[in-house]
Amino acid sequence: QVQLQESGPGLVKPSQTLSLTCTVSGGSIRSGSYFWSWIRQPAGKGLEWIGRIYTSGNTNYNPSLQSRVTISLDTSKNQFSLRLTSVTAADTAVYYCATDRSSGLGDWFDPWGQGTLVTVSS
Amino acid sequence: HSVLTQPPSVSGAPGQRVTISCTGSSSNIGAGYDVHWYQQLPGTAPQLLIYVNSNRPSGVPDRFSGSKSGSSASLAITGLQAEDEADYYCQSYDSNLSASVFGGGTKLTVL
Repeated sequence: QVQLQESGPGLVKPSQTLSLTCTVSGGSIRSGSYFWSWIRQPAGKGLEWIGRIYTSGNTNYNPSLQSRVTISLDTSKNQFSLRLTSVTAADTAVYYCATDRSSGLGDWFDPWGQGTLVTVSS
Repeated sequence: HSVLTQPPSVSGAPGQRVTISCTGSSSNIGAGYDVHWYQQLPGTAPQLLIYVNSNRPSGVPDRFSGSKSGSSASLAITGLQAEDEADYYCQSYDSNLSASVFGGGTKLTVL
């Protein structure tokens, strides 16, 4: 059974870059059956999909974040990563990584990591 | 505001049936894209509850069911239990945005 675990700094200064890693266990990140996504949730608010990466390395990003986001894959470590540049307080949120599954008519997310809180503050 | 619209809150007494609606448009649910539902218990990560409109992952009680019609979808919970108190989110794909999108979430209170 695939499990995911986020890791990275919990505090980032404004204008700097947020970097998080998701470690996948119980399955290979190279599996062609899945994709890999990042999702975030500000405190007390709803969920926002950030982007996904395919095993080919191709990516799709939320247009609202596209200019600042990069998702990458490290198959040797069974990990995928998120970089978000030029952060502001509005980027403060719990960040989740998730396995992304497709029906051909859209994707769903299962399972999710436990989430990691990132606070943007000086 | 969210691309998919959910009521902010619903409530029901133990044993009752509640439904949560998820209204989209012609670029997402109405375009035929699948709808998925998640349950988020307080302080925890969301968990998949319903996938591809009406399918339950193993381990999800059959008290939970999903349906889709036109540009909307619904989650029904029967035999309401105290442990069902949580936030519920619908999710689909939007072709105009080329992005996966979530509803704003619905807080279920068990009276």
